[in-house]
Amino acid sequence: ETGVTQSPTHLIKTRGQQVTLRCSSQSGHNTVSWYQQALGQGPQFIFQYYREEENGRGNFPPRFSGLQFPNYSSELNVNALELDDSALYLCASSLVARNTEAFFGQGTRLTVV
Amino acid sequence: DQQVKQNSPSLSVQEGRISILNCDYTNSMFDYFLWYKKYPAEGPTFLISISSIKDKNEDGRFTVFLNKSAKHLSLHIVPSQPGDSAVYFCAASAIGAGSYQLTFGKGTKLSVIP
Repeated sequence: ETGVTQSPTHLIKTRGQQVTLRCSSQSGHNTVSWYQQALGQGPQFIFQYYREEENGRGNFPPRFSGLQFPNYSSELNVNALELDDSALYLCASSLVARNTEAFFGQGTRLTVV
Repeated sequence: DQQVKQNSPSLSVQEGRISILNCDYTNSMFDYFLWYKKYPAEGPTFLISISSIKDKNEDGRFTVFLNKSAKHLSLHIVPSQPGDSAVYFCAASAIGAGSYQLTFGKGTKLSVIP
């Protein structure tokens, strides 16, 4: 049984560019959530995908978008990158939509310069 | 507006003693609470959870207490071990309201001194 894996682990982008982050959920898990963790803060909920549909969204602008694929893997896309988007992006998977005992990946560290 | 607050950024405890990490929340819709542990360069790892219908949940060295009237929960680690040194996050969700997102506190860095 594989855990949650994210790619890439580190990424440097220029302001205004677009970025795609990827997540493979734990085997058997059909729900994926994305979180942004800024330095010194706790993770903040971006959105959740359940069976390929968005199932809840936090207070993030529309330039943050996502996809979930039939194999339950997921992508987070961020357009028009801003300096404040620099953060650790965490993906969490769970068996059902309720996030009890969600399992997190190691994260992608995004730096926007 | 921080709905989940961990007011102690750091805590130092001697090995073998009890570690008590505290968490307060403001949203009365929260009905499920979780604690996660995070090591540097790793994602958060689930530790223990508690439903609002309970006031205590134990798992080995870890016990979580919930005081709903005070909107306060705490995580007790007994005995503390050097490997427990990490950042601990308190998180909450409002499952009964149909919201499965986790709202996290800012974390408390625990240092267990050998």
